[in-house]
Amino acid sequence: DQQVKQNSPSLSVQEGRISILNCDYTNSMFDYFLWYKKYPAEGPTFLISISSIKDKNEDGRFTVFLNKSAKHLSLHIVPSQPGDSAVYFCAATEGGGDDKIIFGKGTRLHILP
Amino acid sequence: NAGVTQTPKFQVLKTGQSMTLQCAQDMNHEYMSWYRQDPGMGLRLIHYSVGAGITDQGEVPNGYNVSRSTTEDFPLRLLSAAPSQTSVYFCASRLRAGYQPQHFGDGTRLSIL
Repeated sequence: DQQVKQNSPSLSVQEGRISILNCDYTNSMFDYFLWYKKYPAEGPTFLISISSIKDKNEDGRFTVFLNKSAKHLSLHIVPSQPGDSAVYFCAATEGGGDDKIIFGKGTRLHILP
Repeated sequence: NAGVTQTPKFQVLKTGQSMTLQCAQDMNHEYMSWYRQDPGMGLRLIHYSVGAGITDQGEVPNGYNVSRSTTEDFPLRLLSAAPSQTSVYFCASRLRAGYQPQHFGDGTRLSIL
């Protein structure tokens, strides 16, 4: 059973607009959430994280929002740039628990010129 | 500082052959893990280690063995390769278990004929 779900396999956004990538989780013990970006033929690169004691974390153009009651998080990219075209993975773990980091299936983001 | 280094980058095996995928990190990270990436399946955790001498199973451990005799190295062994193990394998490390992001290597692309 999937514990981390990214229900949109792909997303297309106009350059300069906001990109919103969504992620849902089922395990209520998860308390640390991460977003990774992956280009073809490279390893995933860490983007931003959030712990369950917060509901928002910002880093430049990237903001992650966490809604614990809905077991939902989202990554906002503003403004979207051509270099943002990549696959984005959501991941989650029980930071104080078994420490396994579980990933979703990913969302491919296309930034259109 | 090389980060996480995986060797080889590419490998072709015949069914039934054995092989060891190497992973080394030079950041003195306690935590290391192995994932496989398959089309439409995201990143799935195979095995992980929270420190030298300690390993545990992830989501898809069958057909794979690991050991962690040193902090730096975390090899992944396929004892009898099967076509279903054709995949891209990623090794990752983080400073310690808990609220820390992982850093990934560039992957090993493995084909089993």
